[in-house]
Amino acid sequence: SQQGEEDPQALSIQEGENATMNCSYKTSINNLQWYRQNSGRGLVHLILIRSNEREKHSGRLRVTLDTSKKSSSLLITASRAADTASYFCATDESNYQLIWGAGTKLIIKP
Amino acid sequence: KAGVTQTPRYLIKTRGQQVTLSCSPISGHRSVSWYQQTPGQGLQFLFEYFSETQRNKGNFPGRFSGRQFSNSRSEMNVSTLELGDSALYLCASRRGREYEQYFGPGTRLTVT
Repeated sequence: SQQGEEDPQALSIQEGENATMNCSYKTSINNLQWYRQNSGRGLVHLILIRSNEREKHSGRLRVTLDTSKKSSSLLITASRAADTASYFCATDESNYQLIWGAGTKLIIKP
Repeated sequence: KAGVTQTPRYLIKTRGQQVTLSCSPISGHRSVSWYQQTPGQGLQFLFEYFSETQRNKGNFPGRFSGRQFSNSRSEMNVSTLELGDSALYLCASRRGREYEQYFGPGTRLTVT
């Protein structure tokens, strides 16, 4: 089953611009996690935000979580060519199984 | 600390055969999960093992099975391979529930 659904499916921006991706889910969660996948480094964890948290930062990444709307957003500021990748959200359900969205493909143009 | 390792990295099999994939988690991680990734379907959860017990199982047919050993290493087996089983199989480990997962590089399985 697919819980997290990312939006948009694809995003193309100029280097230096900010990129925002959204994730919506359906049921209650323990936490929501964002991952990045590119051909060079595989699938890598970015940020984990727990259900009682509203915002979290890590370097150029900012994640928000709105449990009332069952949605999360990932903001990448001052994008770089190396940020070109697919970004996935995964929701950690009540049975601690991670359910993944289909991902947002981000392309940073030089 | 060494990352998650998976063997083999690439595999070509014929329809009807069976295959076994191996995963070694990060030292100290007792939870191992397996995923199938295909271009159109994203990551599909296969199963999770914790301390040699299957804790969760995804919606895959019984041809897909797995196990975990006392040293937390895990194997997954696919019997009677079908063309649709061609995919990237990813293994991930984590310290426990409510923690992030660390992924291996995957095994690219091609069924001809």
